[in-house]
Amino acid sequence: AQTVTQSQPEMSVQEAETVTLSCTYDTSESDYYLFWYKQPPSRQMILVIRQEAYKQQNATENRFSVNFQKAAKSFSLKISDSQLGDAAMYFCAQASYQLIWGAGTKLIIKP
Amino acid sequence: DAGVIQSPRHEVTEMGQEVTLRCKPISGHDYLFWYRQTMMRGLELLIYFNNNVPIDDSGMPEDRFSAKMPNASFSTLKIQPSEPRDSAVYFCASSLGGENTQYFGPGTRLTVL
Repeated sequence: AQTVTQSQPEMSVQEAETVTLSCTYDTSESDYYLFWYKQPPSRQMILVIRQEAYKQQNATENRFSVNFQKAAKSFSLKISDSQLGDAAMYFCAQASYQLIWGAGTKLIIKP
Repeated sequence: DAGVIQSPRHEVTEMGQEVTLRCKPISGHDYLFWYRQTMMRGLELLIYFNNNVPIDDSGMPEDRFSAKMPNASFSTLKIQPSEPRDSAVYFCASSLGGENTQYFGPGTRLTVL
């Protein structure tokens, strides 16, 4: 069975610093996609970043980047220069024929 | 693009009443997903459609829940009769391709008293 594990229920970081959120997954598929979504207090689910498994290059989106380790089935999210607006729940998800979600990590930004 | 549209945004009803949640996916998307989110159970996939056809409804909790997609631009999730344990945020999402990025609506917060 496919699973996604986020081992950190909650993380906190000082504003302007860097934080890394962990995610591991388990799948027997060779071709799949990985996602990080953000859910702020407004509860809107917002795509942060996406990675295709066949691509070796790590995806980046401005201050957000991933460390994709396919052999280790690891997909961590790095947020640089953290801002107050980054405070949210962050969900990792893996998709082959459907999306499998992690339980989420609550990110707190300290001013 | 207007994004995924859901209505109503908030619904408060009494136990035993029928509740209908509505969703308009992004134009051109061929997959539509219904999710439920609670503190206890997190984000759960209830059902998804491909080209208006239900593909997997194994996440639908029980017979009180039903979902339809009469055309490519509209879907409903109905709960009848509603119970307090159905209180949750219900999300609709759509995508182009089943494994591609899912775009979420703003959600409907349902409270059953």
